[in-house]
Amino acid sequence: EAGVTQFPSHSVIEKGQTVTLRCDPISGHDNLYWYRRVMGKEIKFLLHFVKESKQDESGMPNNRFLAERTGGTYSTLKVQPAELEDSGVYFCASSQEYVKGLGAFFGQGTRLTVV
Amino acid sequence: QKEVEQDPGPLSVPEGAIVSLNCTYSNSAFQYFMWYRQYSRKGPELLMYTYSSGNKEDGRFTAQVDKSSKYISLFIRDSQPSDSATYLCAMSAYLRMDSSYKLIFGSGTRLLVRP
Repeated sequence: EAGVTQFPSHSVIEKGQTVTLRCDPISGHDNLYWYRRVMGKEIKFLLHFVKESKQDESGMPNNRFLAERTGGTYSTLKVQPAELEDSGVYFCASSQEYVKGLGAFFGQGTRLTVV
Repeated sequence: QKEVEQDPGPLSVPEGAIVSLNCTYSNSAFQYFMWYRQYSRKGPELLMYTYSSGNKEDGRFTAQVDKSSKYISLFIRDSQPSDSATYLCAMSAYLRMDSSYKLIFGSGTRLLVRP
């Protein structure tokens, strides 16, 4: 069974540019989560999709971040325009059921560097 | 003050040693307590979870939760070089404001098991 896949694995962009991160969850998983880890800090929740609907987006830092999940399959997270403080590792996770915030399966992450 | 505190390490032990990893937390509402293992350039992988207080054992791994002290531990017996990774604690509580559960992560402890 394929795991959660994220593209690209690493992205370096200039401040002010736009970057789109993609996540392919495990097939059949309705729940999809985005997390972020900035340098030296802990992993923090960004948002949660159930199928194509945003269940909880309380962790999104500001309106420069836009997440979508077309047709309830893959998801994209767009940062526009990117700022230096957006640098970090962005993780996607998916789970079949929403089990009280319990672990989902995580992807390997996308390392974003804004210069 | 962070909700979850975890010593970043690194913790270096010889092969075969018993490893003790710990986290403290401040929010008494946390109900689920998890330990993740993260290898370099990979996503977190759920190792174990515990509901409320008590112990849970899985092979060489034992998770303990002491809610009265707001303290959780992960013990690794007969540690192996392949156990070298970053270990993240995470906790979950129902957040009425957002009508959802969230994972709150510690910053992770880097473990090195020397052959």
